[in-house]
Amino acid sequence: GAVVSQHPSRVICKSGTSVKIECRSLDFQATTMFWYRQFPKQSLMLMATSNEGSKATYEQGVEKDKFLINHASLTLSTLTVTSAHPEDSSFYICSAPRLAGFGSYNEQFFGPGTRLTVL
Amino acid sequence: AQTVTQSQPEMSVQEAETVTLSCTYDTSESDYYLFWYKQPPSRQMILVIRQEAYKQQNATENRFSVNFQKAAKSFSLKISDSQLGDAAMYFCAYRGSGNTPLVFGKGTRLSVIA
Repeated sequence: GAVVSQHPSRVICKSGTSVKIECRSLDFQATTMFWYRQFPKQSLMLMATSNEGSKATYEQGVEKDKFLINHASLTLSTLTVTSAHPEDSSFYICSAPRLAGFGSYNEQFFGPGTRLTVL
Repeated sequence: AQTVTQSQPEMSVQEAETVTLSCTYDTSESDYYLFWYKQPPSRQMILVIRQEAYKQQNATENRFSVNFQKAAKSFSLKISDSQLGDAAMYFCAYRGSGNTPLVFGKGTRLSVIA
């Protein structure tokens, strides 16, 4: 099956620094990628939709200036957490739908996630 | 907006027995998909089963099957012959047509007792 990778898998940073998380589709092109956040013992919540070649679409309550998303190629989307604070500590997961033919089902593939800890 | 509700925060089942996880959803769309995902301690999301709303037949994948009641907007997961490896968080999810994101329920933590 298709593979989506994320890097890094785990990162610890100091408060006030910026952290970049990469999401790559390894064997298919993804014009759209989704970024989710999962706090401990909670569900996945959509943060934003990343669109190749255009601006990301953010969900209500998600600060676009804090969570910068860049989808510069058909296989790579990056999420940068700027001026990170302890409350940003979470598990960040990306997913990418693989487009099938017209009228066919577009299966979504999840990355393994990135655990961010802000001290 | 679409919502997904899982009313069972935790469930347990004896090994080799059968367990059913509940899920209800709300939508005004006619074309959509429903899913059950498993999230083990590694936190990798694993697709368990998918149901297309236009299909009347309930989806099955080996020991996993669903009871899809479209009019009632209900989508339960039945796990037969439960195994220790089935222990995980299970999320029910909804997706509309096209390239849209998933909407997840709050999850059910399943424990399997040997």
